Amino acid sequence: GAGVSQSPSNKVTEKGKDVELRCDPISGHTALYWYRQSLGQGLEFLIYFQGNSAPDKSGLPSDRFSAERTGGSVSTLTIQRTQQEDSAVYLCASSVGGSQETQYFGPGTRLLVL
Amino acid sequence: GIQVEQSPPDLILQEGANSTLRCNFSDSVNNLQWFHQNPWGQLINLFYIPSGTKQNGRLSATTVATERYSLLYISSSQTTDSGVYFCAVEGSSNTGKLIFGQGTTLQVKP
Repeated sequence: GAGVSQSPSNKVTEKGKDVELRCDPISGHTALYWYRQSLGQGLEFLIYFQGNSAPDKSGLPSDRFSAERTGGSVSTLTIQRTQQEDSAVYLCASSVGGSQETQYFGPGTRLLVL
Repeated sequence: GIQVEQSPPDLILQEGANSTLRCNFSDSVNNLQWFHQNPWGQLINLFYIPSGTKQNGRLSATTVATERYSLLYISSSQTTDSGVYFCAVEGSSNTGKLIFGQGTTLQVKP
């Protein structure tokens, strides 16, 4: 079946603009994760949605970052007032359940803030 | 929080050689996954292996949870094995989130 999909593949924006990144998880997966991969920080966790539970936002780097998941499926990661240090690859993953399950990753969105 | 260390950071092999990649973690884990990141940046699942041994073709992995390490074996390496290999763990507190190591960059030369 289809894997995790993300859009756009690439995004170039100007400093100070807002951006929205989209993730479509694997159908039937109840858990959805956002991670970020940057040169200086490696791969780091951002936020985790599991079913109808309150999301784990402990990895969001600042209040400029937010995410929502509508209808238990598609998720949008929003970065407000982008900064150059936000440039990174944003990766989405999903799993059948939450803890102790294999996570499957999408191809990522490459964000460049000029 | 839990720390994940991978070694070696870089590895260059001649095609056909075998290799062992290591992942050490600082605390008990409920989930351990090995990934291969291809040149296009896609993270490809290799193994879900919080404990025990698994094999898939030329690749195999072993996790010794009591000693807090995992090993990824690549036999008869091919140029298509090149890329970055990541180990990621989920701590025993069942948070769901994966903590990644810094990766091992493998280059296989023809």
